[in-house]
Amino acid sequence: RKEVEQDPGPFNVPEGATVAFNCTYSNSASQSFFWYRQDCRKEPKLLMSVYSSGNEDGRFTAQLNRASQYISLLIRDSKLSDSATYLCVVPQRDGNNRLAFGKGNQVVVIP
Amino acid sequence: GAVVSQHPSWVICKSGTSVKIECRSLDFQATTMFWYRQFPKQSLMLMATSNEGSKATYEQGVEKDKFLINHASLTLSTLTVTSAHPEDSSFYICSARDYSFGELFFGEGSRLTVL
Repeated sequence: RKEVEQDPGPFNVPEGATVAFNCTYSNSASQSFFWYRQDCRKEPKLLMSVYSSGNEDGRFTAQLNRASQYISLLIRDSKLSDSATYLCVVPQRDGNNRLAFGKGNQVVVIP
Repeated sequence: GAVVSQHPSWVICKSGTSVKIECRSLDFQATTMFWYRQFPKQSLMLMATSNEGSKATYEQGVEKDKFLINHASLTLSTLTVTSAHPEDSSFYICSARDYSFGELFFGEGSRLTVL
């Protein structure tokens, strides 16, 4: 099983709608998780950190399901500016502070 | 907040030449920095972990003699693509973790095109 798996999509979302996607991880010992946003030809930028059951920031909600080993990201009231790739990032097992990246969920918000 | 600066942003070079990319942590010390490569429509792929004052740790399949990494100070790591070829054309990104913020910061990325 890959360390981090994401469905690349694309997820085509009408403006104003809600979209949610999951990221599964293999390391059951992982304690922290991150969602990064990456715009085309740009570097990833931190969107949200998840340390316990979940986190919420405005229209964005991240939830952690330890039993099933996945984290989810939900975007409410989608804006055109939300179009981007959302990367799931999980610390790797080797204890060297390296992070494993998923392939990303590509979100396209449609007017 | 912490910032990681990468230079150059764009570089075009002829096949066979070497290219150096710099990664600097501007307001924090980074004993460890990471180098990634990203091809179009693909995820970030970790190439190597750069450790200050010691040799870098390379991921499987990454040629250490081709991708030279030097981490001479707590704020600077460099990646040199030696004898670059067109297949090395990619988006190279560095990152460093600021443990006071607990966040991984990325450089702006360097887009390399080898002709």
